[in-house]
Amino acid sequence: SAVISQKPSRDICQRGTSLTIQCQVDSQVTMMFWYRQQPGQSLTLIATANQGSEATYESGFVIDKFPISRPNLTFSTLTVSNMSPEDSSIYLCSADRLSGNTIYFGEGSWLTVV
Amino acid sequence: RKEVEQDPGPFNVPEGATVAFNCTYSNSASQSFFWYRQDCRKEPKLLMSVYSSGNEDGRFTAQLNRASQYISLLIRDSKLSDSATYLCVVNKGIQFYFGTGTSLTVIP
Repeated sequence: SAVISQKPSRDICQRGTSLTIQCQVDSQVTMMFWYRQQPGQSLTLIATANQGSEATYESGFVIDKFPISRPNLTFSTLTVSNMSPEDSSIYLCSADRLSGNTIYFGEGSWLTVV
Repeated sequence: RKEVEQDPGPFNVPEGATVAFNCTYSNSASQSFFWYRQDCRKEPKLLMSVYSSGNEDGRFTAQLNRASQYISLLIRDSKLSDSATYLCVVNKGIQFYFGTGTSLTVIP
């Protein structure tokens, strides 16, 4: 399985500010995804991070609020912009392997907005 | 209709019990199927893939019924360490769809 590192692992942020989460994979992967998991809920896909092009966002998520970058096959960032308490959540980076169809997750970034 | 539906539980079972989780999916064109385990305040981790022929990994047995669009996970001889949330995951193309998870607590 791929090793996926995320940082920060947790943060407490003031409302109205923005936070960028970084995701680094230890090997080249085809797909990288960003998920959100709110307390007591399952995972919700925010977007698919496309290498060298704009991310593909799911319904309910927009680029202005969640800009995503993926400059190469092993790295991606997710920014949570103009945060409000409703953005308090775990944000999870995931990736698949070049040769497989299973996805693996980073340890998550626990975000609390106050 | 949700892509993947699971009974959220919670399931509270004594140590040594056998417990089964079920999951249904709505898209007949789904290609791959998995069970993930998520411990409290941790990321989901792949438990096992699910095949039509059924597959077993120690105390865990997974089964897929494509005709009924149904996936199951059986845990035998439950251990305290099996307490977690079990997520049913269905793949179609590049998309992975997650169930809401089934919570299991194994009681001493």
